[in-house]
Amino acid sequence: QLQLQESGPGLVRPSETLSLTCTVSGGSMITTTYWGGWIRQPPGKGLEWVAAINHVGGTFYTPSLKGRVTISADTSKNQVSLTLSTVTAADTAVYYCARGQMGHDCLDPWGPGTLVTVSS
Amino acid sequence: QSVLTQPPSVSAAPGQKVTISCSGSSFNIGNHYVSWYQQLPGAAPKLLIYDNDKRPSGIPDRFSGSKSGTSATLGITGLQTGDEADYYCGTWDGSLSVGVFGGGTKLTVL
Repeated sequence: QLQLQESGPGLVRPSETLSLTCTVSGGSMITTTYWGGWIRQPPGKGLEWVAAINHVGGTFYTPSLKGRVTISADTSKNQVSLTLSTVTAADTAVYYCARGQMGHDCLDPWGPGTLVTVSS
Repeated sequence: QSVLTQPPSVSAAPGQKVTISCSGSSFNIGNHYVSWYQQLPGAAPKLLIYDNDKRPSGIPDRFSGSKSGTSATLGITGLQTGDEADYYCGTWDGSLSVGVFGGGTKLTVL
């Protein structure tokens, strides 16, 4: 079965760029049927959509992060990546990657998440 | 402030039934499928309901979903202590061109 695993630095300094990678095993992350997405959850708070990418490279970003966030995919490596520039403490969160299904708008499965802390 | 509106918390006794509401607009719930996610303490969210009312394989039929207009509802019957979790509704927003979630509802089984 499909399994997702996020990886990243854990700690990022304010004003620097955060880079995360989601590695998929047991199947393909992005196909004509599925797309890849990133969701984050600040400590003690709710879920927030961050970005999504489909099989033709179309990208979708939450308005509050536009201009700072970029999602990309490497289908040969079965990976989806996220970069977030000029980070602040407000970007501290658990970052999840998940696979979405075309036409159904649901996310399944999810990775276990990786905590990113922005601090000097 | 979330695009979709959920009650912050609900509670009920073991064995009872509870419903969780999710309110949106024509840009999101009104024209897109709704999904529901269960997040147990310390765990990643898990898909509970998709396409408004369908259950993925392995999800017990104690969990149900429905949608009417710009609102959706998650129902849980035969409550168990293991159901204590945060529940989130989610969908696509055609105006924002991105997915959106509700603020989450904490379920307490008394």
